Amino acid sequence: DQQVKQNSPSLSVQEGRISILNCDYTNSMFDYFLWYKKYPAEGPTFLISISSIKDKNEDGRFTVFLNKSAKHLSLHIVPSQPGDSAVYFCAAKPEGFGNEKLTFGTGTRLTIIP
Amino acid sequence: GAGVSQTPSNKVTEKGKYVELRCDPISGHTALYWYRQSLGQGPEFLIYFQGTGAADDSGLPNDRFFAVRPEGSVSTLKIQRTERGDSAVYLCASSITGARETQYFGPGTRLLVL
Repeated sequence: DQQVKQNSPSLSVQEGRISILNCDYTNSMFDYFLWYKKYPAEGPTFLISISSIKDKNEDGRFTVFLNKSAKHLSLHIVPSQPGDSAVYFCAAKPEGFGNEKLTFGTGTRLTIIP
Repeated sequence: GAGVSQTPSNKVTEKGKYVELRCDPISGHTALYWYRQSLGQGPEFLIYFQGTGAADDSGLPNDRFFAVRPEGSVSTLKIQRTERGDSAVYLCASSITGARETQYFGPGTRLLVL
């Protein structure tokens, strides 16, 4: 049972445009969400996170939106750059300190077209 | 500073053999995590250490898998009687305390069981 779902395996976006990556979750115990970026042959790199008490968090070109009622989050990248081409993973963590394991989605491969 | 390092980067073994995978976390990080990533999937949690003790080993798939962290720094993931289904990238991550802190990933060990 996939508790974190990324239904788009791939996405292509023109350089300079907005990239929107989506993620859905089913476990209502999740209350902290993260996005990781992964290049080939490297480990995932943390991008941005959001707590369930917020509906938006912004860091430079990256913004994460959380819709708790819909159990949906999205990552917006604007403007998209060629170096953003990578696989993006959505991850979630349940509430309560000590519950530190991350549950990941299957990833979305983002390709930025110059 | 140095990130999380993992050795070996690649390991090829035969079915039924024993393997050890090593993780060196970021210096000073008390929390250490092991994940496994199969082809086309996101990382899947295996075990989480807080200091020397395993705080959560609920992700270990069966008793062929075991991990230790005897001095609270380096960790070794041990797999006995390897099976072809164990083939995956094994990722290690560390964080400062584990309490909602960012998990920093190493590059992974790619294990292939023939």
